[in-house]
Amino acid sequence: EDQVTQSPEALRLQEGESSSLNCSYTVSGLRGLFWYRQDPGKGPEFLFTLYSAGEEKEKERLKATLTKKESFLHITAPKPEDSATYLCAVSSSNTGKLIFGQGTTLQVKP
Amino acid sequence: NAGVTQTPKFQVLKTGQSMTLQCAQDMNHEYMSWYRQDPGMGLRLIHYSVGAGITDQGEVPNGYNVSRSTTEDFPLRLLSAAPSQTSVYFCASTGTGGYNEQFFGPGTRLTVL
Repeated sequence: EDQVTQSPEALRLQEGESSSLNCSYTVSGLRGLFWYRQDPGKGPEFLFTLYSAGEEKEKERLKATLTKKESFLHITAPKPEDSATYLCAVSSSNTGKLIFGQGTTLQVKP
Repeated sequence: NAGVTQTPKFQVLKTGQSMTLQCAQDMNHEYMSWYRQDPGMGLRLIHYSVGAGITDQGEVPNGYNVSRSTTEDFPLRLLSAAPSQTSVYFCASTGTGGYNEQFFGPGTRLTVL
């Protein structure tokens, strides 16, 4: 069964304190792994797609990496505006459907 | 481009009432889907469509119907609302077979009393 688990559920950081969010997955044929950002009361906003182990992508203070079993979203020197819920999802090559994790809620304090 | 739009933004129903959540996209995307988001449960797929005239069930389809008569529109119908359907509903679309990033609408917050 395709499954995605994110940890931690919640993370509090001080501004400038770097950290990482984890996304562990099991899927029958990974088509792609996706990271989204979701602000309160809004729909998820696309951040990254990773397709194969070893791939990395960066956007401002965020860097996403992928192995055969998990993905990390590294946040370097975060700012309060990085506070949001970060969602991880995988797409199976068998079904093409997106399976989402429960998300990690990040709070960055000034 | 407006992207993915959803109406209404908020809705309160009584148990047993029916209603339709509207979703439209102006990006000529083939693939559209409906999710519900509940606390601690993440986003769960309700129904999806790979093109006009084609729909299929997702993870939690019971109590919901969909149709896809045009590329642009993908309405979600609640046949007889139940309190268990209280949730936030998101519509999403993507091109190229559904394997690329999905674009989400702003959501509809539904409460069933």
